[in-house]
This record gives sequence, structure tokens and C-alpha cells, in this order.
Amino acid sequence: DTEVTQTPKHLVMGMTNKKSLKCEQHMGHRAMYWYKQKAKKPPELMFVYSYEKLSINESVPSRFSPECPNSSLLNLHLHALQPEDSALYLCASSHDGQGGQPQHFGDGTRLSIL
Amino acid sequence: QKEVEQNSGPLSVPEGAIASLNCTYSDRGSQSFFWYRQYSGKSPELIMFIYSNGDKEDGRFTAQLNKASQYVSLLIRDSQPSDSATYLCAVNRNTNAGKSTFGDGTTLTVKP
Repeated sequence: DTEVTQTPKHLVMGMTNKKSLKCEQHMGHRAMYWYKQKAKKPPELMFVYSYEKLSINESVPSRFSPECPNSSLLNLHLHALQPEDSALYLCASSHDGQGGQPQHFGDGTRLSIL
Repeated sequence: QKEVEQNSGPLSVPEGAIASLNCTYSDRGSQSFFWYRQYSGKSPELIMFIYSNGDKEDGRFTAQLNKASQYVSLLIRDSQPSDSATYLCAVNRNTNAGKSTFGDGTTLTVKP
């Protein structure tokens, strides 16, 4: 069992739907991350929150909207996604947003866009 | 040239052997180095991290770092079939808000 919890584990949605992915950690970490991972590829960084503030946005399309309500929670709001957005979405956390800290990953949400 | 390069494999070793996984990086400003293990269909799991030149051992795993040559390696002693996975190398500058650069991963198969 991981200490970073992601829900749901699987999500199937149409291109016109709106849904949200949720991530929660109780390790007292102050940095949280969203990654997208396609099959047989490494994780691609999407967003970084440090002390509840967005510190990195890797030029992600606006159909992905992150939110960090508090230091333990991270959401990713999805709207009007495309079939190529089908992937494993990973949440991770680290001690703080400084470089050099190991990241701890959740189990991921496997997203399929119809 | 990729920023972080790993042999894609597959690397195949017999059970009980030493598996050696290598990673080279191009950014001389890199200061932190991580190895993650990822089983098929699962999320990455942190195995080791190393910051200083030399060796760092944890159980059957040893990470080796040589900043002058810009490589970091992971040795797995007494390899077990349960070690069969993709191993991701990640490198961080320490000044970029936690952004790590990942290699494409090396797939390891340990044969019984």
C-alpha cells in the first residue's frame, strides 16, 4: 500500500464529460505533483505545487486544470479531453518543493477517453 | 542527445546473479539521483537515492555515482524473479522546484 492515495483507480469518460482526479497524502509533504505516463514511456511532469502554490506548469493544455485545496490534497480537473489523453495519471509528493527530494508516487488513475 | 540515457534492454540475468543498470546524464549541474522500480501496470516505486560520489548500499541494492563521468548505476545482488521490472533513473538539479528528468527506463528480466 502506498502512502499517496489516488481515486478513482480507473476512469472512462467521453470527450464532452467533466471529471476530476483526486490525490491525498498524509506524510506531511509540502510538494505535490501530477504526471502523465503513456505505455512504455517514462512519466511526464505536468504540474508541481509547492506549499499549495503552483510552481511549475509544463505547458499543459487548459483542458487539464489542477487545484491544491490544502497541503494534503491535490485535484486534477478534466474537461473536453481528447483520445490521446488516455494514459496513467500519477500523483506524487515530496518533502518540499526544493530539488533533490525523492518523490513518492500513488498507484495512479488509468484514464480512458472514448 | 537525451538528457538522461539508459539502455532500454531488455536486460536478462539468471536468478542469483548481479544485475547492473546504468544511467548517464548530460547536465553537469545535476545534484540528486534517483532509481525507481516500476512493475508492469503499476506506479513507480522509489528504490534508492544518492547525492554524493561513491557507493550507497541498501540491502541487495547498491547505487553508484560518479559525477566526473556523469553516470549513476544500480547494482542488484542475488537477483530474484520478483526484481523483474522496468527501472527508471531520474536526475534533479536541486534548483528547479522538484522537477526531475527521467530516463526511458531499463527493463530487467530475472530468469529462474
